[in-house]
Amino acid sequence: EVQLVESGGGLVKPGGSLRLSCAASGFTFSSYTMNWVRQAPGKGLEWVSSISSSTSYIYYADSVKGRFTISRDNAKNSLYLQMNSLRAEDTAVYYCAKPGHTVTTLGLSYFDYWGQGTLVTVSS
Amino acid sequence: IVMTQSPVTLSVSPGERATLSCRARQSVSSNLAWYQQKPGQAPRLLIYGASTRATGIPARFSGGGSGTEFTLTISSLQSEDFAVYYCQQYNNWPQTFGQGTKVEIK
Repeated sequence: EVQLVESGGGLVKPGGSLRLSCAASGFTFSSYTMNWVRQAPGKGLEWVSSISSSTSYIYYADSVKGRFTISRDNAKNSLYLQMNSLRAEDTAVYYCAKPGHTVTTLGLSYFDYWGQGTLVTVSS
Repeated sequence: IVMTQSPVTLSVSPGERATLSCRARQSVSSNLAWYQQKPGQAPRLLIYGASTRATGIPARFSGGGSGTEFTLTISSLQSEDFAVYYCQQYNNWPQTFGQGTKVEIK
């Protein structure tokens, strides 16, 4: 059974930093590009970042580029998101999402499994 | 690519048919997915490739369309189908989602 479990969310002041983690199991993690998708309270879904299986390709949404860093550890079946210079508009539930197939172009894919999400609140 | 869903809210009685629309500002071919999200839960994949049901999705859910116009049809609404539905294009970078359609009990 595929499982994605996020952790690391919490309350942080504007300008602060936070590191999210996603522990994956039930599939060959090292074969898949992995993603972070976020959802602001009461709002829709926004793709944040993707990282290819070998970390050769990394993509960011313009809204987080230069502030967020995605990484992974295939030996630990884990995905990470380092978030710096946080802003109020970064407040959201952050989901780890697995694509539906191993081969993607520019990280483009639908997502067949999602974690339960971790809430990040940026407020003074 | 901007994805526009309509209506914003759809009021439907149990057992009735519901048709949700998703429009892309430019062609996304058939690279379109639909998700269902209930309060406090993660999105759940329903449809990908515009018309292929994901594993375990009941046959009452069907997707159609290509290019810029897409539909999600729920043939006979069950109580567990009342939720928010999102479309997502994954043809052009960056992948983008519609703003959602809330299906509520009439």
